[in-house]
Amino acid sequence: NAGVTQTPKFQVLKTGQSMTLQCAQDMNHNSMYWYRQDPGMGLRLIYYSASEGTTDKGEVPNGYNVSRLNKREFSLRLESAAPSQTSVYFCASSEGLIGQRTDTQYFGPGTRLTVL
Amino acid sequence: AQSVSQHNHHVILSEAASLELGCNYSYGGTVNLFWYVQYPGQHLQLLLKYFSGDPLVKGIKGFEAEFIKSKFSFNLRKPSVQWSDTAEYFCAVSNNAGNMLTFGGGTRLMVKP
Repeated sequence: NAGVTQTPKFQVLKTGQSMTLQCAQDMNHNSMYWYRQDPGMGLRLIYYSASEGTTDKGEVPNGYNVSRLNKREFSLRLESAAPSQTSVYFCASSEGLIGQRTDTQYFGPGTRLTVL
Repeated sequence: AQSVSQHNHHVILSEAASLELGCNYSYGGTVNLFWYVQYPGQHLQLLLKYFSGDPLVKGIKGFEAEFIKSKFSFNLRKPSVQWSDTAEYFCAVSNNAGNMLTFGGGTRLMVKP
């Protein structure tokens, strides 16, 4: 049981390049999330998927797209990377939406992205 | 929109000292509250959470937090810290609509041996 896995762990891009961050969970969770972590700002939600087949914008969605490929996988795509997207990206999953009594988010190890 | 403030950005303590990390949120409705911890080089893990009931919540590793509704606060406490508690601590809140978890900016705790 690996929990939440993310690839790659590190990535360096040039401005304008595109890339996809991969996330998978093996806990049969319904909901999945993408966050970015910047110093002093905590984690900010980029996009989330409440259940397979649905995606919604979070707090900072501009410059990103997501795909909920199936129940296990939720990818984040940067179409044209910008230096402002230099950050650490975390994927998370939970049984259902936050607010349900038994819900907790489980986080992956993160992807450290640098855009030059 | 809801927001979360953690006023202490950096805290340095000696081992065995008591810890209290502040967390205040702004949201007028029913909230669910969480504390997450990120140890150096690791991903975030849940320390404890409050949904309803007893406002004093006990979590893992001897941590506890108290929800004070009148103060919009959910401070994290530990009576005696250890060197292994060195980490970054994040307070987070969601409302009962359930679709967004808002994090505070985090508090870096360093415990000196």
